Amino acid sequence: AQSVTQLDSQVPVFEEAPVELRCNYSSSVSVYLFWYVQYPNQGLQLLLKYLSGSTLVKGINGFEAEFNKSQTSFHLRKPSVHISDTAEYFCAVSENQAGTALIFGKGTTLSVSS
Amino acid sequence: GAVVSQHPSWVICKSGTSVKIECRSLDFQATTMFWYRQFPKQSLMLMATSNEGSKATYEQGVEKDKFLINHASLTLSTLTVTSAHPEDSSFYICSARDIGRGNTGELFFGEGSRLTVL
Repeated sequence: AQSVTQLDSQVPVFEEAPVELRCNYSSSVSVYLFWYVQYPNQGLQLLLKYLSGSTLVKGINGFEAEFNKSQTSFHLRKPSVHISDTAEYFCAVSENQAGTALIFGKGTTLSVSS
Repeated sequence: GAVVSQHPSWVICKSGTSVKIECRSLDFQATTMFWYRQFPKQSLMLMATSNEGSKATYEQGVEKDKFLINHASLTLSTLTVTSAHPEDSSFYICSARDIGRGNTGELFFGEGSRLTVL
């Protein structure tokens, strides 16, 4: 079975500062990794995903993440955040096979202030 | 493409009544849909896997008689919360995988349905 640990429950930052949201996973099989964003009372929007290939993945809204197999990590980064990036961010993992669900971490609340 | 729609977005009901939530894939077919539950300020917990034309697979600890799931067609899955009680109040989110895109593992999520049981 897979599991996901998001190391920070809340991350407060100032506007235009860089940010890193940490995610570690565990799995005995090959996995796909995802970052989703959730705004209040809404569903989830995919930021980026790692399936295979290059370990540096670029997503929407200027976010990127790096897959590190040896450290079993998939940290999310943005060099300069905006107020509008304030939201809940979820790291998720699924097995590398069809029909499997995503398993989510507990989420990180990113709060961007001016 | 790959849009998933949920209805209703908000529902308030009295304790003891049943509530049905619909999840539709609008522009693709989904043989499998997933239902998640999210408590305030918490993560998404997988409740069950909904399989078109067969019984749903429930996660451990989820009461299948309380949370009835029906996947009647390749574009529609429903979750019925039977005899709802205040502790069933939550945000329910469905998701589906567009197999037409190949096995990318990505799930597309509905907007969620907030259930409040009085």
